[in-house]
Amino acid sequence: DTAVSQTPKYLVTQMGNDKSIKCEQNLGHDTMYWYKQDSKKFLKIMFSYNNKELIINETVPNRFSPKSPDKAHLNLHINSLELGDSAVYFCASSQEQGSVNEKLFFGSGTQLSVL
Amino acid sequence: KQEVTQIPAALSVPEGENLVLNCSFTDSAIYNLQWFRQDPGKGLTSLLLIQSSQREQTSGRLNASLDKSSGRSTLYIAASQPGDSATYLCAVRLPGSNYKLTFGKGTLLTVNP
Repeated sequence: DTAVSQTPKYLVTQMGNDKSIKCEQNLGHDTMYWYKQDSKKFLKIMFSYNNKELIINETVPNRFSPKSPDKAHLNLHINSLELGDSAVYFCASSQEQGSVNEKLFFGSGTQLSVL
Repeated sequence: KQEVTQIPAALSVPEGENLVLNCSFTDSAIYNLQWFRQDPGKGLTSLLLIQSSQREQTSGRLNASLDKSSGRSTLYIAASQPGDSATYLCAVRLPGSNYKLTFGKGTLLTVNP
């Protein structure tokens, strides 16, 4: 029943490692997003894909590489993890892209801790 | 650059009380404004979305208002319940912003039984 699901829920890893977070939505939405919530609780957009095409890249370091194999999936791969990457990463999706009624549906988040 | 501020940062009220959460934004030329709820360990749930041409939206015990000219929105919760305890976030979208939302830091609401 889960609309937007992301895995894993928790990820603890060492500096310098490479890790991936997966996201899937079963809502039939065309647009998917990755947001980052830092320790100060600010949510900021990182990437947005529409029908597998990148439409927003919010000057995120190129160590972060999103991949969308189809419009229901948007995975986030992170190379050479740094301490500052520790945060909660949220996946989201929406259908009415660009509409004044566009609502976002969020996953439950992945808490990444880099040691 | 759009900035969104939410006051207070935290609020604790007894059950049954009516309450108001505040959101202010610096650029009044918004496309829409959304209120979200975030529960610990969970994602965000969209509660209400107000289009730039609207003044308010209602859903059950929730009422959100929008005053674009003054850059303010309020979320009114009537007859609060312990289950309303959560963090409430406000987010705005500017026209032509490629569907990017700018979020406030949220208000942590605790409703005590």
